[in-house]
Amino acid sequence: GENVEQHPSTLSVQEGDSAVIKCTYSDSASNYFPWYKQELGKRPQLIIDIRSNVGEKKDQRIAVTLNKTAKHFSLHITETQPEDSAVYFCAAPGPGTASKLTFGTGTRLQVTL
Amino acid sequence: GAVVSQHPSWVICKSGTSVKIECRSLDFQATTMFWYRQFPKQSLMLMATSNEGSKATYEQGVEKDKFLINHASLTLSTLTVTSAHPEDSSFYICSAHRGRTEAFFGQGTRLTVV
Repeated sequence: GENVEQHPSTLSVQEGDSAVIKCTYSDSASNYFPWYKQELGKRPQLIIDIRSNVGEKKDQRIAVTLNKTAKHFSLHITETQPEDSAVYFCAAPGPGTASKLTFGTGTRLQVTL
Repeated sequence: GAVVSQHPSWVICKSGTSVKIECRSLDFQATTMFWYRQFPKQSLMLMATSNEGSKATYEQGVEKDKFLINHASLTLSTLTVTSAHPEDSSFYICSAHRGRTEAFFGQGTRLTVV
């Protein structure tokens, strides 16, 4: 099965600075890599995803990069704002028709004023 | 995005009783749904895969007789925690996939067993 590792576990940045969260995965057949944001007591929300046929994807202040050779992908948040404070999870699917997701251990991002 | 609704959002029950949690995909059909468990400050741990019209597939270490899963229609899966005990207290969350990979989550159920 898939094994996903995520670093760092906690990250504190000042408002306006950038934040980077990194994940590695083990299954070279994985081809879809989503990132989820989870606020306390709420459901995870998909914020961006990338498929293995591209190396980078951007959506406003959020970007994801993928290095298939090294089997790692990263979330980049620029110009961070207090509302970006949350727990972020990366994930990678296993094989199958409806692939179950294996989640990273999560990164608690704190954006300070 | 697609909508997945989970009910109830929280429940308190006595030890030894059973609790049923519902997960509905409101605007798409889901032949497969997934049930996760999340402890405080931890990641989502997959418990089982719910398959419409057939038996659920449980992850290693998850007791199938304790966590009963039924997926009777393309839009509804239920998780029943049987003979609940305090150690079963957790945040339970379901997801459904639209397409092969894009997952949408229910709002979660916080179960407290007293």
